[in-house]
Amino acid sequence: SAVISQKPSRDICQRGTSLTIQCQVDSQVTMMFWYRQQPGQSLTLIATANQGSEATYESGFVIDKFPISRPNLTFSTLTVSNMSPEDSSIYLCSVGRGTEAFFGQGTRLTVV
Amino acid sequence: QKEVEQNSGPLSVPEGAIASLNCTYSDRGSQSFFWYRQYSGKSPELIMFIYSNGDKEDGRFTAQLNKASQYVSLLIRDSQPSDSATYLCAVNFDMRFGAGTRLTVKP
Repeated sequence: SAVISQKPSRDICQRGTSLTIQCQVDSQVTMMFWYRQQPGQSLTLIATANQGSEATYESGFVIDKFPISRPNLTFSTLTVSNMSPEDSSIYLCSVGRGTEAFFGQGTRLTVV
Repeated sequence: QKEVEQNSGPLSVPEGAIASLNCTYSDRGSQSFFWYRQYSGKSPELIMFIYSNGDKEDGRFTAQLNKASQYVSLLIRDSQPSDSATYLCAVNFDMRFGAGTRLTVKP
């Protein structure tokens, strides 16, 4: 299994500010994924973070709003920029290894 | 059109019964299928994955895949109250998730 450390676990932020979420994996992985889970909803893929290249964003998500960094094979960050209350959600990072995907503990974001 | 769809919930079954969860997908080229369980406030955890047509059994859980009909299902035998959770179907390694089905097992 993969050990994924995601920080912060939760935060309350003022609208208009930005929050950077970190995801650290205990070993090298090729692809890392960032998801959003809004209250009562399933997981929605935001983007795939590739090491050495720009992230690949899903429809409805843009780099200006959700910039992603992937400086090496064990680390990635997702920034939620210029936040509004609609960004209140749980954000999860995930990695694939073999036949499984592993999730970080999630970051519960509340924007006030 | 949604890529991955799950049968609408919530689903309630009595303890000891069989719970049946269904999932359909739109991409005929999909190769890998996953069932996750998510307890309230927790991250999803993998229950089963399946790649080949047919059934795959693991303890009380059976995953069934029919690529021709583009559906995958999860059967939970001898359901227990601890099985009460939201079950998420995911397709392919980039993990496109269905909306989830909330299962409640009543004692």
